[in-house]
Amino acid sequence: GENVEQHPSTLSVQEGDSAVIKCTYSDSASNYFPWYKQELGKGPQLIIDIRSNVGEKKDQRIAVTLNKTAKHFSLHITETQPEDSAVYFCAAGRSYNTDKLIFGTGTRLQVFP
Amino acid sequence: NAGVTQTPKFRVLKTGQSMTLLCAQDMNHEYMYWYRQDPGMGLRLIHYSVGEGTTAKGEVPDGYNVSRLKKQNFLLGLESAAPSQTSVYFCASSYGGGISTDTQYFGPGTRLTVL
Repeated sequence: GENVEQHPSTLSVQEGDSAVIKCTYSDSASNYFPWYKQELGKGPQLIIDIRSNVGEKKDQRIAVTLNKTAKHFSLHITETQPEDSAVYFCAAGRSYNTDKLIFGTGTRLQVFP
Repeated sequence: NAGVTQTPKFRVLKTGQSMTLLCAQDMNHEYMYWYRQDPGMGLRLIHYSVGEGTTAKGEVPDGYNVSRLKKQNFLLGLESAAPSQTSVYFCASSYGGGISTDTQYFGPGTRLTVL
C-alpha cells in the first residue's frame, strides 16, 4: 500500500543551527505535501505545505522542497530556537480526492540552548 | 471559534467494555477523520467521512465503528475494547473543497488506556 518514510526519527541540534527532515512517498498521484508540528500533549498543527506544481516554498525560518521525480520532499528549519523542539510529521495526499493523508512516522527535534 | 474539540480527554477502560469518542467542529467542514497515534508509527487513519451521513474505512478500521449523523459531529465507537486499542486518538477536519482547502485541522486528542 501507499506509505511515507521519514528520516531521521530523532534530531538534536544546537540553537542557531539548521535542521533538515526528509520524507519519501510511494504514491505517484500524490499532489499535496503538508508538514505538521506536534507539541507535547497537543494535536498536530500545520506549519507549511507544498503542492506538486511548486518546487520550493518558504515561510520565514522554515522551507520545504519537493522533488516529484524522485518522490521526496524535505523540511528545512534555519536559525533553530528552543521553541522549535517538537515532533514533526510529513504527509502526502491527493487534493480533490477525500483529502486523505498518509503520514510519516515523525521526527523528534530537540534544540539545545 | 473553538475549532476541533474532542471528548473525553482521557479514559481508562477494561477489556470488553465499550465507549464512544465524540469529535465536534465549528468550521462547517465537510470532511472529518479519526486517527490513532502510536509510538513509532505516526498517525494512522481509522475511518473518515466526506459529508453528513457518509463514512468510509481508513487504514486500520477493525474494531471501530463511526457515525456522522450531523455535519459538525463525528463519533468513534469501540464496541468491545482490547488492549491493542490503547492509543491516543485524534480527530481532524478539512473543508473538502479541493486545492487550498484541504488543510486538516486536528483536535487535542483523547488518551485511551485499555486494561
